Amino acid sequence: GAVVSQHPSRVICKSGTSVKIECRSLDFQATTMFWYRQFPKQSLMLMATSNEGSKATYEQGVEKDKFLINHASLTLSTLTVTSAHPEDSSFYICSAGASSLAADTQYFGPGTRLTVL
Amino acid sequence: GESVGLHLPTLSVQEGDNSIINCAYSNSASDYFIWYKQESGKGPQFIIDIRSNMDKRQGQRVTVLLNKTVKHLSLQIAATQPGDSAVYFCAAPGGSQGNLIFGKGTKLSVKP
Repeated sequence: GAVVSQHPSRVICKSGTSVKIECRSLDFQATTMFWYRQFPKQSLMLMATSNEGSKATYEQGVEKDKFLINHASLTLSTLTVTSAHPEDSSFYICSAGASSLAADTQYFGPGTRLTVL
Repeated sequence: GESVGLHLPTLSVQEGDNSIINCAYSNSASDYFIWYKQESGKGPQFIIDIRSNMDKRQGQRVTVLLNKTVKHLSLQIAATQPGDSAVYFCAAPGGSQGNLIFGKGTKLSVKP
């Protein structure tokens, strides 16, 4: 199947700093990438949807100025957590879909564990 | 909209036994369902999917059953192994952006 990577896999930062997480589709062009957040022992919750070359669509309650998303190419989307605080500590997971794949197919990255001190 | 949910948050089985994980959904118009396995600290891994024109689909050691009448699907794992220990999520497309909506998850623990 298609492969999606994330970098870094784990990051620890100080409160107030910004952290960038990359999501890459390695062997296909991802027209759409989804960013999910998962708190411990909970399910995945969609944060935003990014489409290549256009602005991201954020879910209700997700601050677009805090969680900056850039989908500059068909293989890369980035999520930047600005001025991170301890409550932003979570597991961030991206998934990617493509028009070349089956309509409902999404491939997930391995996730990024963010810990804000 | 779609909402999916799981009946049991945890399931403990003996190695070698069969496991059954259940999921209920609310939108009768949903036509595609997916089961994911998530190991600790990792992203969801696709296990098997099923479309609404089918009642059953089999994979390697896994079977998904879909009962559209009661809006219920299940994941059956045959001869459960320690490596099957993980959290299992059912999911269905239903978000406004074409995203998947996930159930709460069932944690499967396999006792040796």
